[in-house]
Amino acid sequence: GAGVSQSPSNKVTEKGKDVELRCDPISGHTALYWYRQSLGQGLEFLIYFQGNSAPDKSGLPSDRFSAERTGGSVSTLTIQRTQQEDSAVYLCASSLSTWDTYGYTFGSGTRLTVV
Amino acid sequence: KNQVEQSPQSLIILEGKNCTLQCNYTVSPFSNLRWYKQDTGRGPVSLTIMTFSENTKSNGRYTATLDADTKQSSLHITASQLSDSASYICVVSGDAGNMLTFGGGTRLMVKP
Repeated sequence: GAGVSQSPSNKVTEKGKDVELRCDPISGHTALYWYRQSLGQGLEFLIYFQGNSAPDKSGLPSDRFSAERTGGSVSTLTIQRTQQEDSAVYLCASSLSTWDTYGYTFGSGTRLTVV
Repeated sequence: KNQVEQSPQSLIILEGKNCTLQCNYTVSPFSNLRWYKQDTGRGPVSLTIMTFSENTKSNGRYTATLDADTKQSSLHITASQLSDSASYICVVSGDAGNMLTFGGGTRLMVKP
């Protein structure tokens, strides 16, 4: 597609439920990143994919968070047993290659609210 | 520890006025520095990229500077417009392309 597409744009869930967030990167972009932006905070790195593999998962805050990418394209971020502190905007970005000569293109994010 | 500090945290200016946003970093090794504009409810959009050898780069009413010796960058906005109201985020890339360090952003509000 023309840009990075994320869905849903908004998600309200009850504490303890699992949620899945989807990111559809720009076609041909091999690198994909997930970030989290809590209210009033800066961007927090979660995980990075190169193709289908994730060489850097260091930002995942707990084992309740997992992500996968299939076919070198769509990625899914799953949060199990959601907690109120998981409430944030989850942003996905993609890049043509790991060397960010071409820059990163961000999606509009998924606003997650855990009640 | 790699860090990016931005100042001020928030800024209110009148339409038509100029402003300067600051970004100090301690990322090493250094690859490049980007300024992003993030409108409310949207993802960040790249304004400009500064590499080690570049001191000044302009993009319309935005002018970015980089002093690699002091590890400081600034984003100057001239003749501000209401549409400039947004968060401006400084992002520094380390030697490996996937290592990004984000600043906390400056929230700019331009009032009529």
